[in-house]
Amino acid sequence: DTGVSQNPRHKITKRGQNVTFRCDPISEHNRLYWYRQTLGQGPEFLTYFQNEAQLEKSRLLSDRFSAERPKGSFSTLEIQRTEQGDSAMYLCASSLRTGEKLFFGSGTQLSVL
Amino acid sequence: AQKVTQAQTEISVVEKEDVTLDCVYETRDTTYYLFWYKQPPSGELVFLIRRNSFDEQNEISGRYSWNFQKSTSSFNFTITASQVVDSAVYFCALRAGYSTLTFGKGTMLLVSP
Repeated sequence: DTGVSQNPRHKITKRGQNVTFRCDPISEHNRLYWYRQTLGQGPEFLTYFQNEAQLEKSRLLSDRFSAERPKGSFSTLEIQRTEQGDSAMYLCASSLRTGEKLFFGSGTQLSVL
Repeated sequence: AQKVTQAQTEISVVEKEDVTLDCVYETRDTTYYLFWYKQPPSGELVFLIRRNSFDEQNEISGRYSWNFQKSTSSFNFTITASQVVDSAVYFCALRAGYSTLTFGKGTMLLVSP
């Protein structure tokens, strides 16, 4: 197993466009997390799935953001009508059980022009 | 609510020096987990250690050691005989109760030859 995979690595978009990121967790992990990290800050929690169920969403996740995890496998994070403030690294992580360590992907760096 | 404070924004040392990264946490839960992650320039967060709140035993792994003190709500990380490859941003994180992982803002460690 090669770990958590995220695509694309980089995304440049114009303000107002929609973007979608994909995350493939470690195959046996049923917990999947999305975090956002801006320069000089630690990762901030966005949302969490257990299997296909989205169990928690941060208040950071405005209604322009939507995440899905169909069939409890890969996940997508979509941002509609992007704003310059959405520019950040979007990190995906997975774990086997609650409280266990999270395995992170390399992230998707979003730049909104 | 959970909070993690890493007061040191940046630390610069010369190779072979010992360095300690501080972490102070806040939680009302009696059951919690503390983590340290390393983020090298490549960007991927690498897990270093996890401790639960009932295990205050300090841990040593090669040149790395961790000092967990519940009395001061601290979980400090020491690198002995630092090397250039240790240069990275180090994050302390807390998971309490059923909450998700909360990260500190990170400490950037620069090790020069």
